[in-house]
Amino acid sequence: DAKTTQPNSMESNEEEPVHLPCNHSTISGTDYIHWYRQLPSQGPEYVIHGLTSNVNNRMASLAIAEDRKSSTLILHRATLRDAAVYYCIRVNSGNTPLVFGKGTRLSVIA
Amino acid sequence: SQTIHQWPATLVQPVGSPLSLECTVEGTSNPNLYWYRQAAGRGLQLLFYSVGIGQISSEVPQNLSASRPQDRQFILSSKKLLLSDSGFYLCAWSPDGLSNQPQHFGDGTRLSIL
Repeated sequence: DAKTTQPNSMESNEEEPVHLPCNHSTISGTDYIHWYRQLPSQGPEYVIHGLTSNVNNRMASLAIAEDRKSSTLILHRATLRDAAVYYCIRVNSGNTPLVFGKGTRLSVIA
Repeated sequence: SQTIHQWPATLVQPVGSPLSLECTVEGTSNPNLYWYRQAAGRGLQLLFYSVGIGQISSEVPQNLSASRPQDRQFILSSKKLLLSDSGFYLCAWSPDGLSNQPQHFGDGTRLSIL
């Protein structure tokens, strides 16, 4: 049980921002929210993670709701190389394996 | 910097043959190590994970086994492969005990059973 809910698929135009939502309404206070993405025929790649505050890195931004029951991964300008399956994962402790759900398949249209 | 190596990249094996996939991590010590499998068109399924040498936790009972003979080496094995063992096998590592650090995945082994 991944304990997160994501839309099955989303579509974006190239160079437009993309907002990928994730619902984690049963999250505990110590759970981190991690995002990974999997490009075709490759292993998953770490994107970003956070606990309470919004986070930014070179790949994306993570906006976490004040009640922590949801979060949004933001790709500021989608490119064709961003087409992938994006996974939102709750991580409880450092020794806990990731539990992958079905993720959101992002298609980017040129 | 840390790197993870997985081999072979592709493998074609007959039903009933043995299997050995190897994964090694460089540039870190006492990592947590993981084996995942992804069947065609499906999500990632955790198979085994290890928090130390000789410590293996199995998530899914099946004809696969895992071993960790050295700190940074993780091996996935089978004595007799089944058709259902076909899939994309991924090894991953993470720093010990830190939930705010990501997992890093290898390039995977694509296994086809004939």
